[in-house]
Amino acid sequence: EAQVTQNPRYLITVTGKKLTVTCSQNMNHEYMSWYRQDPGLGLRQIYYSMNVEVTDKGDVPEGYKVSRKEKRNFPLILESPSPNQTSLYFCASTGLADRGQFFGPGTRLTVL
Amino acid sequence: DQQVKQNSPSLSVQEGRISILNCDYTNSMFDYFLWYKKYPAEGPTFLISISSIKDKNEDGRFTVFLNKSAKHLSLHIVPSQPGDSAVYFCAASAFSNDMRFGAGTRLTVKP
Repeated sequence: EAQVTQNPRYLITVTGKKLTVTCSQNMNHEYMSWYRQDPGLGLRQIYYSMNVEVTDKGDVPEGYKVSRKEKRNFPLILESPSPNQTSLYFCASTGLADRGQFFGPGTRLTVL
Repeated sequence: DQQVKQNSPSLSVQEGRISILNCDYTNSMFDYFLWYKKYPAEGPTFLISISSIKDKNEDGRFTVFLNKSAKHLSLHIVPSQPGDSAVYFCAASAFSNDMRFGAGTRLTVKP
């Protein structure tokens, strides 16, 4: 089954404690991205990756890092989380020849 | 700067009637438009799309209309069903995979 998986699905943490949200896709897609969803703002892109070792900033990259060492994985790293990063996060992937993205189930992060 | 806007946060319709969800955009470089549907506790799922060279695309009960001169697109659902109750996101891209999303419209279809 084609899918994008994210872990963890829910996370409560404290300010400054480094965390990583994993994302993996099994469709051999080149393009992967991370979004955050906030009320009234819809989905905003944090980072994206066109392929292995190729990453670039989206609209709201501050406070986040990503890496793309393998085609299937695209982890999102928060080195020093702050309360304004409390949000619902989605990972997505798509083939370069396509435009419709497959989304993961989401990770709800709360930073206290 | 939100380049894609969905000005109606919510919409309620009766089962069997038409649902019309609207979306406006500001970037004239957008060449591809999509609608996603999102249920609670799930990620958005692709629903229907339209290229800027077309003005209409139909898929079963779902039709998307694009008015480039007005920079406006709409999603029509006919007939609406209770299972269509979800949040609908409009998205647009400019010759790439990068998407800009609207804030979403929560559709409620009442039995």
